[in-house]
Amino acid sequence: GAGVSQSPSNKVTEKGKDVELRCDPISGHTALYWYRQSLGQGLEFLIYFQGNSAPDKSGLPSDRFSAERTGGSVSTLTIQRTQQEDSAVYLCASSLEGGLALNYEQYFGPGTRLTVT
Amino acid sequence: GESVGLHLPTLSVQEGDNSIINCAYSNSASDYFIWYKQESGKGPQFIIDIRSNMDKRQGQRVTVLLNKTVKHLSLQIAATQPGDSAVYFCAETFYNTDKLIFGTGTRLQVFP
Repeated sequence: GAGVSQSPSNKVTEKGKDVELRCDPISGHTALYWYRQSLGQGLEFLIYFQGNSAPDKSGLPSDRFSAERTGGSVSTLTIQRTQQEDSAVYLCASSLEGGLALNYEQYFGPGTRLTVT
Repeated sequence: GESVGLHLPTLSVQEGDNSIINCAYSNSASDYFIWYKQESGKGPQFIIDIRSNMDKRQGQRVTVLLNKTVKHLSLQIAATQPGDSAVYFCAETFYNTDKLIFGTGTRLQVFP
């Protein structure tokens, strides 16, 4: 079946502009995660959605970052007033359930490469 | 604090040899560990996982070893192939949290 998809695959924006990144999780997956991966670095957790629960926003680096998940499916990560240090690959993942449940495995999308000039 | 790190940023091996990628973690409360493989331009792909009540788990050509005494995790790849060339990440989490803490990654290069 279809995996996690993200759009756009690449985004170049000017400093100070707002950007929206989209994630389509695997159908039926209740958990959705956003990560950021800077060049040559590991993945940094940003935010986590599980079902109808309040999202875990503890990884968002500043109030310029926000995310929403509509209808328990598609998610949008918004970065306002982008800065050059926001340049990174933004990865989305989904899993059938969150937490240490049987089907914990996170399936990652290909990511969106954001470049802020 | 909580951290996951890797001893070797780059590992070069010859095709057919076995590879061992190491990872150290600092949170003794972590009870679930995962290895991911990330090829260029792609998202991480699950390889194998292990829970803290185990010290070894085997998959197809891969074995994960967990040493809780020294908080060390390793990924062994048997008969390494060119297709194994990628960056490998270890990640940890612990009960009642849903966040994975990733290490920096080790690049595996396989030479013919």
